[in-house]
Amino acid sequence: AAGVIQSPRHLIKEKRETATLKCYPIPRHDTVYWYQQGPGQDPQFLISFYEKMQSDKGSIPDRFSAQQFSDYHSELNMSSLELGDSALYFCASRPRDRANSGNTIYFGEGSWLTVV
Amino acid sequence: AQKVTQAQTEISVVEKEDVTLDCVYETRDTTYYLFWYKQPPSGELVFLIRRNSFDEQNEISGRYSWNFQKSTSSFNFTITASQVVDSAVYFCARSDPGAGSYQLTFGKGTKLSVIP
Repeated sequence: AAGVIQSPRHLIKEKRETATLKCYPIPRHDTVYWYQQGPGQDPQFLISFYEKMQSDKGSIPDRFSAQQFSDYHSELNMSSLELGDSALYFCASRPRDRANSGNTIYFGEGSWLTVV
Repeated sequence: AQKVTQAQTEISVVEKEDVTLDCVYETRDTTYYLFWYKQPPSGELVFLIRRNSFDEQNEISGRYSWNFQKSTSSFNFTITASQVVDSAVYFCARSDPGAGSYQLTFGKGTKLSVIP
């Protein structure tokens, strides 16, 4: 079965640089989420999109922005990177068919960002 | 967001032992969803189970079983006859209709080490 696809899997950037992460949700999923997981931490919700519109915002820094495109893929843009942005970034998606999925959210394998 | 508490930070068991991971959640809603995810050392988040608040039926899937008790706001996870491959961080999570796009709130996770 198709899964959530994230790229790149690993990324190394210097402080103050910009990074872009991409996410391709599972087909027929209408909601996309971005989460950030610091070392030894639980995943923290950043932002979500429903049918290409931003639907909710969590603890996303102002230096970060995201959008969802017409083909449902999403990108997370991170600017002025700081050492503390080093983390595992997950994209996740939720099926359009709520009756069977019950709001289950499926995660990609994550993108490891290291800021040096 | 309503909290999810996993009081056990780390657990070590010897292979073939049974182990139970605890999860207690806050709730002010009548409708909510509870989940367990597994995060192996490779980093991906693997969905294990979803429970709706209106379905208290316990579930067994192979060596895994889940005990959902609304009276104590608990959703505990038991692994029977543990194996080395079960070594991972396990996260309990919830989502709520009131939380915008049903994004997940995670507990801090329990790191399970199964020793051969």
